[in-house]
Amino acid sequence: DAKTTQPNSMESNEEEPVHLPCNHSTISGTDYIHWYRQLPSQGPEYVIHGLTSNVNNRMASLAIAEDRKSSTLILHRATLRDAAVYYCILRDEWGGADGLTFGKGTHLIIQP
Amino acid sequence: DTAVSQTPKYLVTQMGNDKSIKCEQNLGHDTMYWYKQDSKKFLKIMFSYNNKELIINETVPNRFSPKSPDKAHLNLHINSLELGDSAVYFCASSRKGARNTEAFFGQGTRLTVV
Repeated sequence: DAKTTQPNSMESNEEEPVHLPCNHSTISGTDYIHWYRQLPSQGPEYVIHGLTSNVNNRMASLAIAEDRKSSTLILHRATLRDAAVYYCILRDEWGGADGLTFGKGTHLIIQP
Repeated sequence: DTAVSQTPKYLVTQMGNDKSIKCEQNLGHDTMYWYKQDSKKFLKIMFSYNNKELIINETVPNRFSPKSPDKAHLNLHINSLELGDSAVYFCASSRKGARNTEAFFGQGTRLTVV
């Protein structure tokens, strides 16, 4: 899996939007962009993924740059429960049995 | 219903012992994984197992061996435990080769070797 770069930590206030950036300048044409998060003392949890177009689901939105060299995970209205480590991971189309390659992720701190 | 469940949640054991961690998934997935999260919180893939095909991360010592009695289970057996094996171990499952390769993780097993 190609490499991603994320800020070590970010801080935001409760009930405000949060934009978590990810750079992946070596992304290949078939790599999907996946986001996972890990809440304290829990296993990683799938958030969202996309290929080229922006994606929305009940948890978040994913904005993908036109050249696909970067993406942004958007939490529209952060709550204290969103405090977690967020991981941006690239998977090729047939990701399959090689598992997920986790980096250090971004530690998101939510202030009340 | 828990999608991916691991037992035990906590495991404290002495150096040199042999132990197993069990994992079961009820999602009908064909691929299961074991990950290790060390004290620095770095998550690393150890094994993936799909339809009797085992892919091993080359850095994993051969004291670690996954056992799959059926498609829904992938247990992790560890021989001759060492202090450095202390970590949180996560089991996960997903579908292989599908566009939507969302992985589901268990809650983890905290292994402490004393």
